[in-house]
Parts: sequence; C-alpha cells; structure tokens
Amino acid sequence: GQNIDQPTEMTATEGAIVQINCTYQTSGFNGLFWYQQHAGEAPTFLSYNVLDGLEEKGRFSSFLSRSKGYSYLLLKELQMKDSASYLCAVRANYGQNFVFGPGTRLSVLP
Amino acid sequence: DAGVIQSPRHEVTEMGQEVTLRCKPISGHDYLFWYRQTMMRGLELLIYFNNNVPIDDSGMPEDRFSAKMPNASFSTLKIQPSEPRDSAVYFCASSFGRRGLTYGYTFGSGTRLTVV
Repeated sequence: GQNIDQPTEMTATEGAIVQINCTYQTSGFNGLFWYQQHAGEAPTFLSYNVLDGLEEKGRFSSFLSRSKGYSYLLLKELQMKDSASYLCAVRANYGQNFVFGPGTRLSVLP
Repeated sequence: DAGVIQSPRHEVTEMGQEVTLRCKPISGHDYLFWYRQTMMRGLELLIYFNNNVPIDDSGMPEDRFSAKMPNASFSTLKIQPSEPRDSAVYFCASSFGRRGLTYGYTFGSGTRLTVV
C-alpha cells in the first residue's frame, strides 16, 4: 500500500518563505513530483525529484530524502498568486501512475 | 500545442442518466489517465492507458464506470447509471513515456459533474 501525508492548510505573508512538507510510505519509489492547483483549475507540474537533494527552479525549490521518506517544497518571495493547493505525488517502481497526496492549501496574506 | 482537451466543462444530470466524458490527449503522448477529485478523497486515479490499451483499471469504482480509448487521440469515460455520489471533478491527463517511465503529467481543465 501507499500513504502520503501533507499538512491540510498553511498561511503565510506576502514576501515571506514557506516550506510545505510531504511524507510518504510506499512499496516502491521512482520519483516524487510537486503540482500546484489553483481553485477551480487543473493541477500544473512544478518539480520532480528522484535523487536525494535539492532541486531549485526560480522561486521554488524541492528537496527529497529517500531514506526518510520525506520531501518539502520551498516557496520564496511569496506572491498573492501563490495562493493555491500544492500536491505531492509519488511514482512507485511497478507502475506508470502517480499516487497523489491530499494536498496543502496555502493562503498568502498581504 | 492545444494541451489536453476535455469536454464538457460542466455537466449536470439527473440520477440514473448516462454520462459520457470526453478527452483528447496531447498529440504524441502515449499515456492517458483518468482521475477523479473530490474534497473528501482528493485526486484518485480511475484508469490509465498506454498506447490505447488499458493498463490498470483497479481504481474504477464499480461496474457503472467504463472507459475506452479507441484511438490515440480520443478517450471516453462513461457512467451508467449515474448517482449523486459520482459528483466530482473528472480530470484527464496525458504524458510521454520513455523506457517505460513517465514524467510529469499534463492535465486537462477537467469536467465538473453534478448528479442531482
């Protein structure tokens, strides 16, 4: 079986830094993805980690520790448009599909 | 690139009626996925295809749900008969796999289904 856990909601201030955590327990592992989903819209791809360490992409960075079953998404210089849900998804070895976590709803306040 | 195209965007139907959701994947993508999203259960995989062949349909809730992919550019998800608990947003997504592995999905805009 597979279990992915994320905080339900987070609040942060415009211009600040926020870290969204994801822990997972899966029968296999072959990559972890982060998606952003604005209310009423489709999820859009943000980042991909398959090896341990930090991947940086502009204001967004994602970290992975496979031994700990842990990842985080770091958002810097928060903007109001970053208010959205952030979904962590894990791809297991045996399949081509991802299992999505419940998502974290981030609210950015002025 | 027009992206993944789904239709209709919104569907309201009465319980017991048949509902058909449609999806056109990105040209050249060889994987197609159908997901359902609700507040209670989040994003759940229903079924996925590789080169038009269903690979895993273990997420299909019950026999009322069926999916087809008659060619590389079209897929349908049918619910017959529909029930109020089927109300959700249904997403189609496609991706390109290399050496049997897929990378990030591209999602369609979704179909918001309401069964009354």
